[in-house]
Parts: sequence; structure tokens; C-alpha cells
Amino acid sequence: AQSVTQLGSHVSVSEGALVLLRCNYSSSVPPYLFWYVQYPNQGLQLLLKYTTGATLVKGINGFEAEFKKSETSFHLTKPSAHMSDAAEYFCAVSDGGYQKVTFGIGTKLQVIP
Amino acid sequence: DAEITQSPRHKITETGRQVTLACHQTWNHNNMFWYRQDLGHGLRLIHYSYGVQDTNKGEVSDGYSVSRSNTEDLPLTLESAASSQTSVYFCASSEGLAPYTQYFGPGTRLTVL
Repeated sequence: AQSVTQLGSHVSVSEGALVLLRCNYSSSVPPYLFWYVQYPNQGLQLLLKYTTGATLVKGINGFEAEFKKSETSFHLTKPSAHMSDAAEYFCAVSDGGYQKVTFGIGTKLQVIP
Repeated sequence: DAEITQSPRHKITETGRQVTLACHQTWNHNNMFWYRQDLGHGLRLIHYSYGVQDTNKGEVSDGYSVSRSNTEDLPLTLESAASSQTSVYFCASSEGLAPYTQYFGPGTRLTVL
């Protein structure tokens, strides 16, 4: 069975500081990994995804994530936080077997001016 | 542009009433999903469908039903609404090909009084 653990349900950073949101996964087969962002009162939007190949994945709005198989991790980073980055972020995993995606419980990012 | 729409966006109903939430996608995706989002629980899968006439139960399916008569629509029915079903409901769709990236609708906020 596949699962996702997001460390920290709330993360606060200062504007301009590094953003690091942590995600660890469990999957019995090579996984597909995703990060989604949810702005207030909106649906989830795809931020980036890892399928195969290059382990450093770049997404929208300056975010990137690195797939580390040895650590079963897929942490999301951004070098410099903007106020507009305040949102909830969800890590997700799909092992392809059941065509479904399992989501983490989300991390709410607060950006302090 | 392809999209997923949900209606209504907000609904208030009374305990015991039957409620149907609509989901319509123009991606021409085979797979469709219904989730509920609650504080502390992230996204939980209610029902899903891999194609016309196919429906499957997710992890929190009690009290809910779906039917799939065409590719575009997957309505979610609450047979007899309960206060525990007060939540935000999201519909999503994905292709039937790996990595099964999901695309989300804007959500329906349901309040059961």
C-alpha cells in the first residue's frame, strides 16, 4: 500500500526566506510523486510532479522538489518566499497500480512580512 | 480550455434530506474521483470511477453514492444527509495512463444543519 507523510501541518517563514516542506512516501514500486497547492477557497492545483528520469523537478512559481529514493523523500523547496506563496501544500503519491493518488494531510504555509 | 466544474459551490441543507452534488469535466478523462476535505484529515476518497458504468468505493463511502452514465459527469449523492457530512467536497479527474495526474474542480462547501 502507498502512503505519504508530511512533516509539520503548519510552517511559518519570513518573506524572502527559504521554504522547505517535507514529504516522505511509502510505495512498494517506483512511485510517481506530486505536489499540489491549494489557495483559500479554491481547488488543488498541480505544482510539480516526478515520474522518471531527472530527480530534481522544477514546478511553477519557482518551486522545485528532489526525489531521493534512498531517503524515500520528495521535499518541496523555494529559495525565497513571497507573500503570495501562503497556501496549503499537499504531497501525493501514485504507484500506478490502481490509478489512484494518495494525498498527505497537507502543510499550511504562512509567510510573515 | 478543458476544466472541471462543480455545482453548487455552496449548499445548506437539513439532516435527512437527499443532496446531489454535480461534477462535470471536459478533459475527456476516463477516471473521476470524489474527495472530502476536513481539518486534520486532508483529502479522503469517497468514490471513484474508471469509466462509464464503473463505480468503486473509497475509504469513506458510507452514506454516499455515485453513478456514471457518461464520460463527463460523476454526480455524488448523499442519500440522507447527516451533520457529519458537513465538509468541502472536491471532484477530480485523471487520464487512465500513468502517472495518473489528477485535476481538481473548485469544490462545493456543504453544510448540513
